[in-house]
Amino acid sequence: EDQVTQSPEALRLQEGESSSLNCSYTVSGLRGLFWYRQDPGKGPEFLFTLYSAGEEKEKERLKATLTKKESFLHITAPKPEDSATYLCAVQAGNYQLIWGAGTKLIIKP
Amino acid sequence: DAGVTQSPTHLIKTRGQQVTLRCSPISGHKSVSWYQQVLGQGPQFIFQYYEKEERGRGNFPDRFSARQFPNYSSELNVNALLLGDSALYLCASSQQGSGQPQHFGDGTRLSIL
Repeated sequence: EDQVTQSPEALRLQEGESSSLNCSYTVSGLRGLFWYRQDPGKGPEFLFTLYSAGEEKEKERLKATLTKKESFLHITAPKPEDSATYLCAVQAGNYQLIWGAGTKLIIKP
Repeated sequence: DAGVTQSPTHLIKTRGQQVTLRCSPISGHKSVSWYQQVLGQGPQFIFQYYEKEERGRGNFPDRFSARQFPNYSSELNVNALLLGDSALYLCASSQQGSGQPQHFGDGTRLSIL
């Protein structure tokens, strides 16, 4: 069964304290792994797409990496405005996205 | 450019009623997907449409139906509403739907009394 698991469920960091979020997946025929950011009361905002093991993408303080079994979202020197829920999703042989439950990130000033 | 727009933003219904939610995709996007998101969980896939054809359906009862129009906008219909249907309903669009990022609207918050 296709499955996505994110850890930790919640993460509290001080401003400037770097860390990583994990997304583990089991899926047959990966078509893409997607990272999104979701603010309260809003829809998910697209961040990155990764297609193959070894691929990396960067945007400002965020860097996403991919292996055959998991993806990491690294956050370097985060700021309070980086506080949000970060969601990971995979697309397999069919067309639907399978989502993790998300990691709620809180950055304290 | 306008993003994905959904209407209404909030809706309150009672059990047994029917509801229609609407979605306009980003200009040029031909695929629309619908998701249900319960508080504290990731979105759950309901439907995907591409070029007005249903491409995929998630594990939801037949009370849920959808369609896509020639202008690529879409409607999600839910009949015989249950308390458990209370959720945020999200619409997402993409150019084709496979292997491409989906872009989301801010959803319709549906509350069932």
